[in-house]
Amino acid sequence: DADVTQTPRNRITKTGKRIMLECSQTKGHDRMYWYRQDPGLGLRLIYYSFDVKDINKGEISDGYSVSRQAQAKFSLSLESAIPNQTALYFCATSARAGGIGELFFGEGSRLTVL
Amino acid sequence: QQPVQSPQAVILREGEDAVINCSSSKALYSVHWYRQKHGEAPVFLMILLKGGEQKGHDKISASFNEKKQQSSLYLTASQLSYSGTYFCGTEMTGPGTYKYIFGTGTRLKVLA
Repeated sequence: DADVTQTPRNRITKTGKRIMLECSQTKGHDRMYWYRQDPGLGLRLIYYSFDVKDINKGEISDGYSVSRQAQAKFSLSLESAIPNQTALYFCATSARAGGIGELFFGEGSRLTVL
Repeated sequence: QQPVQSPQAVILREGEDAVINCSSSKALYSVHWYRQKHGEAPVFLMILLKGGEQKGHDKISASFNEKKQQSSLYLTASQLSYSGTYFCGTEMTGPGTYKYIFGTGTRLKVLA
């Protein structure tokens, strides 16, 4: 089983719908991240969390919200999806000790908003 | 703020060498390199923590010039398996803020 699991892997939805992408990890890491990937723009940080009580906005948080339900779970919500939120979304984790360490990514969730 | 990578894309024949550059307008304290194969998640290659540090990973190595705020990834005697998109990543910190952000990416294709 993957250490970082994202669900759903693919989702097609309509404008205005609420969508939740879920991420769970078995690596025991404190830090979790949500990134969005668009062609030619690389990976852009949406939100990050350093522990259950610490959630922070990234570069492109508008239109998104997150919830850290437990150390192992970090969910990304689109309250009212719009077409330009069509993208590939990645969850990632890293350990805390010694500063930033290697990021471990989930397999990605491809979201299409019609 | 996003680090800029060059070139944006490169096509090689097996056995040829390539260099991918990552430049930042802000100070770099560490640089990570990742490779993402088509349809897959990015995979960590290496981290460089000190200015001037160089590291190797098989025939892939990297350097970090802290003063120039640049890092370069060197792919030697490229193999078909090297194909993918390469990203540099770095921490950006400021008063009360922290971000881990990635460069714009370089698409590399190795042909037989």
